[in-house]
Amino acid sequence: GAGVSQSPRYKVAKRGQDVALRCDPISGHVSLFWYQQALGQGPEFLTYFQNEAQLDKSGLPSDRFFAERPEGSVSTLKIQRTQQEDSAVYLCASSYLPGATDTQYFGPGTRLTVL
Amino acid sequence: AQSVTQLGSHVSVSEGALVLLRCNYSSSVPPYLFWYVQYPNQGLQLLLKYTSAATLVKGINGFEAEFKKSETSFHLTKPSAHMSDAAEYFCAAISNDYKLSFGAGTTVTVRA
Repeated sequence: GAGVSQSPRYKVAKRGQDVALRCDPISGHVSLFWYQQALGQGPEFLTYFQNEAQLDKSGLPSDRFFAERPEGSVSTLKIQRTQQEDSAVYLCASSYLPGATDTQYFGPGTRLTVL
Repeated sequence: AQSVTQLGSHVSVSEGALVLLRCNYSSSVPPYLFWYVQYPNQGLQLLLKYTSAATLVKGINGFEAEFKKSETSFHLTKPSAHMSDAAEYFCAAISNDYKLSFGAGTTVTVRA
């Protein structure tokens, strides 16, 4: 596809359920990022992949959050035992160059609501 | 790490009037700076970016921003607002690493 796609677009989970959010980056993009956007806030960095390597996971809020990109393309963000404070929009972004300053292109996001 | 401050969480302008959105960053090293726009239920779309090539940066949809090192500012402007400019706007910065640091956002409403 032409841009970054994410699925599902909306997810409602009961507290304690596990969820998996998918990101399809732009083909050929080396870098992939996950951000969390709480209501009324700017996005905040969660984690960064360069190809299949997760080089930075310093933004993941707890050990319930796990991300992977096993073949260096599609990425999945998994949240175990969801809590109400996990409710947010999860944005995926990709860029052509590794790291640094290349433009990050964002997907439409997955809106997670935890009841 | 970068810190980005957007002054004013809401801006209301009349159609045809100047749009001015303020952004200040904190860093001792000139960063790479970005403005993104977010329409309802959509992802972030890049409006423009500053990468030290020129202090006045022109973007899409008639927007431009000026980098002022002395003021650590990167304000976004558009001479004449259109109804389609109603959206949320985010200023963001990258310095020595790859993480985008975003401001809290400014919501723009355009009055007919």
